[in-house]
This record gives sequence, C-alpha cells and structure tokens, in this order.
Amino acid sequence: AQSVTQLGSHVSVSEGALVLLRCNYSSSVPPYLFWYVQYPNQGLQLLLKYTSAATLVKGINGFEAEFKKSETSFHLTKPSAHMSDAAEYFCAVKSGNTGKLIFGQGTTLQVKP
Amino acid sequence: EAGVAQSPRYKIIEKRQSVAFWCNPISGHATLYWYQQILGQGPKLLIQFQNNGVVDDSQLPKDRFSAERLKGVDSTLKIQPAKLEDSAVYLCASSERTSGYNEQFFGPGTRLTVL
Repeated sequence: AQSVTQLGSHVSVSEGALVLLRCNYSSSVPPYLFWYVQYPNQGLQLLLKYTSAATLVKGINGFEAEFKKSETSFHLTKPSAHMSDAAEYFCAVKSGNTGKLIFGQGTTLQVKP
Repeated sequence: EAGVAQSPRYKIIEKRQSVAFWCNPISGHATLYWYQQILGQGPKLLIQFQNNGVVDDSQLPKDRFSAERLKGVDSTLKIQPAKLEDSAVYLCASSERTSGYNEQFFGPGTRLTVL
C-alpha cells in the first residue's frame, strides 16, 4: 500500500532563506506524487506533480521538487522564501487505479520577516 | 472556469444532531471525492464517486455517514447522528478522470464543529 511521511510538522525560515520541506513515500509501483498548498480557510491548491518525465519538477510560485527513487523522497524546495509562502503544505501519493490521494500529515511553513 | 463549490462554509451543531454538506464539482468532471481533514492531519478520503456510482467508500463510517451523487453532478454528504470526533473540515474535490496524473481540484471546504 502507498503511503507518505512528511518529516517535521512545523518549519520556520526567515524571509529570503531557502525553504526545504521533506517528504518520503512508500510505494510498490512507480508512484504518482503531488505537493499541495493550503492557505488558511481555503481548499488545497496543486503546487506540482511528478510525471516521470523528469526527476526535477517545477511548480507554481517558484517551488520545485526532486524525485529520488533511491531515497524514496520527493522533497519540496524554494530558493528564497516570501512572506506569502506561509501556509500548510501536503505531500500526497496516488493510490492504486481509483485515483484517490493518500496525504501526509502536513507541514506548516512559517516565514519570519 | 468555475471551481468546486461547497456549502455551507461553516457549521456548528450539537452532538447527536444531523448535518448535510453540498458540493458542486467542476463542470464535466466525472469523478468526485469527499475528504475529511481533522485538525493537524492530512485529508483522508471518505468516499469517491465515478459519475453517480460509488468507487470507494471503504473509510466511510456507514453507521452515521451517507453520501449520494444524483445524476452524476452535485453531491451531498450527510452525518446522522454527529459525534464530537466528527469535528473537521470536509473537502470536496473533482477530477476529469482517475487514470494518469489527473489533477484533483478542491473546494474551499466546510468546517464542522460538533459541541
């Protein structure tokens, strides 16, 4: 069965600093992986998805993630944090053929001025 | 393109009362999902519809939760009777299909508080 683990429920960075949010997955088949962002009182918005075309995936708002099969990881990065990046971030893996997503427990990103 | 619509946005009820949530997916999306997001956790799938048929309801507490998607468009999720542990955000999502890397589009959610 597929699963994801997000390391660190809270991450705090200074504005302009590197953002690194960690995600490890477990899957018996080639995984379909996603990162979603959730702003307060809003639904989830797709940041990026792993399509197997390239191991480095670029998403919206300057975020990118690198798929590393040997490490079963799909960490999310952004070179320079902005105050508007403060939100909850979820890593997810698609489960089976039904299309449902299995989410990690989420990481809250705090950006300090 | 209009997004996924949900109502109400907030609901407060007493335990043992009943409550219903409504979702209108993006036009043309055949697949509709209801997720439960408890505070501090990631969303968990409750039920998935393909058109008006149920694909997966393995994690739906069927003694108190029910859902329907009449005519393969709008959907309603009901809880009767509600328990304290049902306090959560209920998210509706839709997608064109289930295969490949299809994106799920999420609504704003309904925040339920059970007192």
